[in-house]
Amino acid sequence: DTGVSQDPRHKITKRGQNVTFRCDPISEHNRLYWYRQTLGQGPEFLTYFQNEAQLEKSRLLSDRFSAERPKGSFSTLEIQRTEQGDSAMYLCASSLGTRGEQYFGPGTRLTVT
Amino acid sequence: QKEVEQDPGPLSVPEGAIVSLNCTYSNSAFQYFMWYRQYSRKGPELLMYTYSSGNKEDGRFTAQVDKSSKYISLFIRDSQPSDSATYLCAMSAVGKLIFGQGTELSVKP
Repeated sequence: DTGVSQDPRHKITKRGQNVTFRCDPISEHNRLYWYRQTLGQGPEFLTYFQNEAQLEKSRLLSDRFSAERPKGSFSTLEIQRTEQGDSAMYLCASSLGTRGEQYFGPGTRLTVT
Repeated sequence: QKEVEQDPGPLSVPEGAIVSLNCTYSNSAFQYFMWYRQYSRKGPELLMYTYSSGNKEDGRFTAQVDKSSKYISLFIRDSQPSDSATYLCAMSAVGKLIFGQGTELSVKP
């Protein structure tokens, strides 16, 4: 399977704990995006990378959130001191260049109790 | 006002009907337009991609973009129960996608 993969698929954590998600993009894609989706809403942009450079961050990405893409391959999204409001589906997508076609992974569903 | 507006539905149609889904937007810088299909608790699946204005057809699906009116549409012909899902419009200028809220579609046998 050469699509976008995400791990874990589901994470349940207690409020105040730290969590980390991983995304592996389509191998030849140089752009990697993170989005967050809550029930009944469309995905909202969080941040994106071109190769290893983080080019844009949304104001939704508070200081508790950090994303990395070492060596321009996989990416991680870490949430520190989780809050109940962080409960959502976290989606990763990748694309080749500036073309709009972004391909999404299956998502990581985060539940904060 | 949101940058992209999409009627959330729900929309229920009988099998075989023609379905019309629409979005309006306010940012004239958008030049890439997409439609995604999302099944419950799954990631969005890219259905149609259009650059700038015009029509694009792929099987039972037709996407239309009217940049002068800031209006995009997706038509589904001969709808099937397997088309039941949430349909998301998305658009971008040169990077991040801005999504509509999604329209929940149900095709009844």
